[in-house]
Amino acid sequence: DIQMTQSPSSVSASVGDRVTITCRASQVIGSWLAWYQQKPGKAPTLLIYSASSLRGGVPSRFSGSGSETDFTLTISGLQPEDFATYYCQQAKSFPFTFGPGTKVDI
Amino acid sequence: EVQLLESGGNLVLPGGSLRLSCVLSGFTFSRYAMSWVRQAPGKGLEWVSGISGSGDTTYYADSVKGQFTISRDNSKNTLFLQMNSLRAEDTAVYYCATMMGGGGYYYAMGVWGQGTTVIVS
Repeated sequence: DIQMTQSPSSVSASVGDRVTITCRASQVIGSWLAWYQQKPGKAPTLLIYSASSLRGGVPSRFSGSGSETDFTLTISGLQPEDFATYYCQQAKSFPFTFGPGTKVDI
Repeated sequence: EVQLLESGGNLVLPGGSLRLSCVLSGFTFSRYAMSWVRQAPGKGLEWVSGISGSGDTTYYADSVKGQFTISRDNSKNTLFLQMNSLRAEDTAVYYCATMMGGGGYYYAMGVWGQGTTVIVS
């Protein structure tokens, strides 16, 4: 199975900050990577797929980059509603696997 | 609007069984592959199982292979997860989600239900 790691595990930030989260796959996955946001007590929501494609309706302050094994989610200009936990997920092969998550808080 | 609604979560004894359901509304169910994802209390997301739009191909995490069975009834717009021999470590919120893509290649889980809670104790 493909293992996913994320760093940092948590980050403290302020409104307006630029936040960068890194995700690494244990083997090459090309661009088969998605990013999700989850708020407490809520289901996850898809932000980005295919490493860098923004899902419709997602604010443009979210962006994704990377390929092969190393990926980045960037939030440019953090907003109050962005405080949440973020997960990466590989879709290269089954079983799909998620990273352990990165909590973004104040 | 596309909506997913899970049901069937409950408190169950170790060794017991449970069947979860997920009903879709707002689009043609058979066009979409589906997944189950779970989240243990205070933990991260774990993909559990997936099924193609036709139902003829299924996928499982190693942790549930041989224990859980995914299926679907396209005539009723419903996805199922049959869970047997339940253990304490299966305690989690279970989400159903649509898989974006097709032809055996899926690139993300697009629409998620609100989740249903399974407690094994």
